[in-house]
Amino acid sequence: EPEVTQTPSHQVTQMGQEVILRCVPISNHLYFYWYRQILGQKVEFLVSFYNNEISEKSEIFDDQFSVERPDGSNFTLKIRSTKLEDSAMYFCASSPTFGTGVLAFFGQGTRLTVV
Amino acid sequence: TQLLEQSPQFLSIQEGENLTVYCNSSSVFSSLQWYRQEPGEGPVLLVTVVTGGEVKKLKRLTFQFGDARKDSSLHITAAQPGDTGLYLCAVNTNAGKSTFGDGTTLTVKP
Repeated sequence: EPEVTQTPSHQVTQMGQEVILRCVPISNHLYFYWYRQILGQKVEFLVSFYNNEISEKSEIFDDQFSVERPDGSNFTLKIRSTKLEDSAMYFCASSPTFGTGVLAFFGQGTRLTVV
Repeated sequence: TQLLEQSPQFLSIQEGENLTVYCNSSSVFSSLQWYRQEPGEGPVLLVTVVTGGEVKKLKRLTFQFGDARKDSSLHITAAQPGDTGLYLCAVNTNAGKSTFGDGTTLTVKP
């Protein structure tokens, strides 16, 4: 069964460092998303991406964050200068189409720990 | 104000008991999803409900969408320790993103 894969599963970084979280969406999907979940809190939307452009972003997704699809398979989330409060699970998701009721498939997540 | 309110927040029961968790909103949705999430893993889709009053069954899990499409419930019959996890409801916006509730943490003790 096709699945969204994320690497690494766990990333530890020092405050102020840049991190890149990687995702390989399901191959025939066209819409890509990043979510995050701070420990003990709800899953929060960060950004959606389609046709090499950001479709929508939340207020969390500030100038420290960027997304990119550098090739035909990877979808990355970059955090330029990490802060302690960026520590969270980051989930990538993808969907074949777009709109209300369309279901996204989630990856297993990357646990980011900023020290 | 939260878009989706889930209750209870925590639920701890013995194996074999039945339980119901709820997802409520003041908004009307065209569809609603239920996910289960285990610690350290991503949400896994269980079901999507679309029609008001719809009931879907997945083995011992029964999902219902309210007639007005503002709320939903998940009922588990004869819970097992393997049912332990965080149960999340979510809705999609027109932009395609999912908005999640806070979840119900279920613990089923053997």
